[in-house]
Amino acid sequence: DSGVTQTPKHLITATGQRVTLRCSPRSGDLSVYWYQQSLDQGLQFLIHYYNGEERAKGNILERFSAQQFPDLHSELNLSSLELGDSALYFCASSRGPEERQPQHFGDGTRLSIL
Amino acid sequence: TQLLEQSPQFLSIQEGENLTVYCNSSSVFSSLQWYRQEPGEGPVLLVTVVTGGEVKKLKRLTFQFGDARKDSSLHITAAQPGDTGLYLCAGAKDGNQFYFGTGTSLTVIP
Repeated sequence: DSGVTQTPKHLITATGQRVTLRCSPRSGDLSVYWYQQSLDQGLQFLIHYYNGEERAKGNILERFSAQQFPDLHSELNLSSLELGDSALYFCASSRGPEERQPQHFGDGTRLSIL
Repeated sequence: TQLLEQSPQFLSIQEGENLTVYCNSSSVFSSLQWYRQEPGEGPVLLVTVVTGGEVKKLKRLTFQFGDARKDSSLHITAAQPGDTGLYLCAGAKDGNQFYFGTGTSLTVIP
């Protein structure tokens, strides 16, 4: 158990809809990272938050947004969903903002777009 | 095109054999990490290397960061069925941007 909690575990929805994925980091971790994992693209870095502030942006689409709240949990919002958004979405957390710190991954949310 | 290419993509070996997985790029990374992922779970960090030429050992696993910090290798000695999984390298550059490799799926047959 990594200590990182992601909900829901599975999400099935239709094209054009909007969903929110939630992540609770390990106790004491201030950084939250979001990743997308699909069969054709592999694991792609989306965005990094540290203590409520955005630190780095990766391959995140404009239809996607994220935030980290004062209690340090984070949400990833996906809107105008397309079939190609079907993937596993992972959240990871680490103590500080530095890239070299170990990241602890949750078990992911599997998003299926019908 | 992925920034980090791993080879081989798939590897199936007998228990007790040795193997090496490669992670290559034309870009320089400030640090590189190796993860193992099992089905239905998130990746689990194995090691972080930060210095060019650095070698780290974790029991039967040996990790090396290339001198130019563009590539890395993972060598497993006397593989066991418990080593089965997806091995991913991940490089950090451009100020906290992370790039994961294409992955190597390892199966160790008892």
